Amino acid sequence: SAVISQKPSRDICQRGTSLTIQCQVDSQVTMMFWYRQQPGQSLTLIATANQGSEATYESGFVIDKFPISRPNLTFSTLTVSNMSPEDSSIYLCSVVQPRAASPLWRARDEQYFGPGTRLTVT
Amino acid sequence: AQSVTQLDSHVSVSEGTPVLLRCNYSSSYSPSLFWYVQHPNKGLQLLLKYTSAATLVKGINGFEAEFKKSETSFHLTKPSAHMSDAAEYFCVVSEAIYNQGGKLIFGQGTELSVKP
Repeated sequence: SAVISQKPSRDICQRGTSLTIQCQVDSQVTMMFWYRQQPGQSLTLIATANQGSEATYESGFVIDKFPISRPNLTFSTLTVSNMSPEDSSIYLCSVVQPRAASPLWRARDEQYFGPGTRLTVT
Repeated sequence: AQSVTQLDSHVSVSEGTPVLLRCNYSSSYSPSLFWYVQHPNKGLQLLLKYTSAATLVKGINGFEAEFKKSETSFHLTKPSAHMSDAAEYFCVVSEAIYNQGGKLIFGQGTELSVKP
């Protein structure tokens, strides 16, 4: 499985500021995703980070608030912009290395998660 | 649309006794199902996955899960709980997205406590 690191591991930020979270993988991967885990909650997909094109955002998440970069096959960043206390969460990146050619069969590939970035907004 | 429901938000067992964490799913076609574990202040770890092969799936650390299509269930079990099993467990269904990977849909999680 891929080894995934995230920076920073945690941060405390003031409202109105922005934070960029980095996700680094030790091997080239096709798919990268960003998730949010609010306190005491489950994980929610924010967006799919597409290499060489704009990210694909889930309902309720917009590019102006969560801009994402994916400059190559091993690295991605997520920025949390104009933060408010409601943005306090753990942010996780995940990767999947599809083994099958068919898109349908790709749903069977497990995703591997980074350790997460714990963000507190005051 | 696919969804997953974890029937218990919290389960408490004594060390050495069996563990049962319940999960029901909703899917329009043959689903891919996963169980992930999250220890405090740690990332998510894959326990096991079902992808339409054997209905009884064995995972790491002695966990296993059985896929029952008639009941739309994918319950996680372990014969004997260990103190180190105390963690949050997530049942996850994967939705195929054309020309992408699978979109993971997480259940709300079950917190497992293990008493000495």
